[in-house]
Amino acid sequence: DIVMTQSPDSLAVSLGERATINCKSSQSILYTSNNKNSLGWYQQKPGQPPKLLIYWASTRGSGVPDRFSGSGSGTDFTLTISSLQAEDVAVYYCQQYYSTPYSFGQGTKLEIK
Amino acid sequence: EVQLVESGGGLVQPGGSLRLSCVASGFTFSNYWMSWVRQAPGKGLEWVANIKQDGSDKYYVDSVTGRFTISRDNAKNSLYLQMNSLRAEDTTVYYCTRGRWTLDYWGQGTLVTVSS
Repeated sequence: DIVMTQSPDSLAVSLGERATINCKSSQSILYTSNNKNSLGWYQQKPGQPPKLLIYWASTRGSGVPDRFSGSGSGTDFTLTISSLQAEDVAVYYCQQYYSTPYSFGQGTKLEIK
Repeated sequence: EVQLVESGGGLVQPGGSLRLSCVASGFTFSNYWMSWVRQAPGKGLEWVANIKQDGSDKYYVDSVTGRFTISRDNAKNSLYLQMNSLRAEDTTVYYCTRGRWTLDYWGQGTLVTVSS
């Protein structure tokens, strides 16, 4: 099974500043059929279900603000929030869908400094 | 508007069974893979199972293989999760989600508590 490891576990960033969350997979999740990385990012606010932010490592989901961006390839990936807003306080998860079971990272809690 | 509404959660004794349901609306249900994802209280997300549009392919996480069965009824726009031989560690919120790889819509979840 592929293990997804996020860092840090928690993060405090000032409003308007950049937030960066890392995700590492235990093996490459590059899907050779389309040369894209099989990685998604989800945002979960308290008391709500998760929301899809990013798929194929760098494609924003429908309606997702452009301050959210995803990057990386192979085994190392990053979610960046370019200018943190108050509504971005949440737990963020990465997930690989290269092979079943489609494992999630442990989550990164993002707070305001 | 896409909606996914789960039901069927509750309190069950260890070794017992439950059947979760998810009713979908706002999209053509039969065109999509569907998945179940669970989350223990205060914990992270765990992918549980998914099922192909016509029900011909199903995949499970090892910890539920042989105990849980995912199914669907496209005529009723419904997804199901039959859970047998339940254990304390199955105590989680179960989310119904649309998609195979990218889970783009989620229900609000239904809580399953396994306890004597």
